Amino acid sequence: EDKVVQSPLSLVVHEGDTVTLNCSYEVTNFRSLLWYKQEKKAPTFLFMLTSSGIEKKSGRLSSILDKKELFSILNITATQTGDSAIYLCAVGPNTGNQFYFGTGTSLTVIP
Amino acid sequence: NAGVTQTPKFQVLKTGQSMTLQCAQDMNHEYMSWYRQDPGMGLRLIHYSVGAGITDQGEVPNGYNVSRSTTEDFPLRLLSAAPSQTSVYFCASRLTRWGGNTIYFGEGSWLTVV
Repeated sequence: EDKVVQSPLSLVVHEGDTVTLNCSYEVTNFRSLLWYKQEKKAPTFLFMLTSSGIEKKSGRLSSILDKKELFSILNITATQTGDSAIYLCAVGPNTGNQFYFGTGTSLTVIP
Repeated sequence: NAGVTQTPKFQVLKTGQSMTLQCAQDMNHEYMSWYRQDPGMGLRLIHYSVGAGITDQGEVPNGYNVSRSTTEDFPLRLLSAAPSQTSVYFCASRLTRWGGNTIYFGEGSWLTVV
């Protein structure tokens, strides 16, 4: 059965901390892994990962994929209160119709 | 750029009522889908369409109907609302069914069934 598991389910950190969010998957014919940020509205796109070992970076956020061990991590350095959100991971198969979503990691950054 | 547009944003229904959530995209995307999001459950696929005239069921299709008469529009119909359908609904689209395309989401529709 195809599935995506995110950990931890929730996380509370102080401003300035660095956090690592995890996404592991078991999806037949893997094609891509997507990270989204959701703040009480529609998920907004962060990264798409298709190749192992190539880091994607945007400001304080970065992500990398390990296709051998079937997981991805999302790192956020120097966290800010604006980083508080649910972070969703989704995995797409090569020719499938469905992306498989994890349940998300709820991140709270306190001042 | 409008992207994916959903209406209404908020709706309260009585048990047994029917309603339609509207979704339109202006990106000429082939693939459109509806998700519901419930606490602790993540995003679950209700129905999807890979092109005009073609629809199929996702993970949780019971109680919902869809149609795709045009590339742009993909309405979701609740036939006889039940409290279990209280949820946040997201319409989403991507260029093709290929798993290498980014998913674009609408703003969401908050539905309460009393």
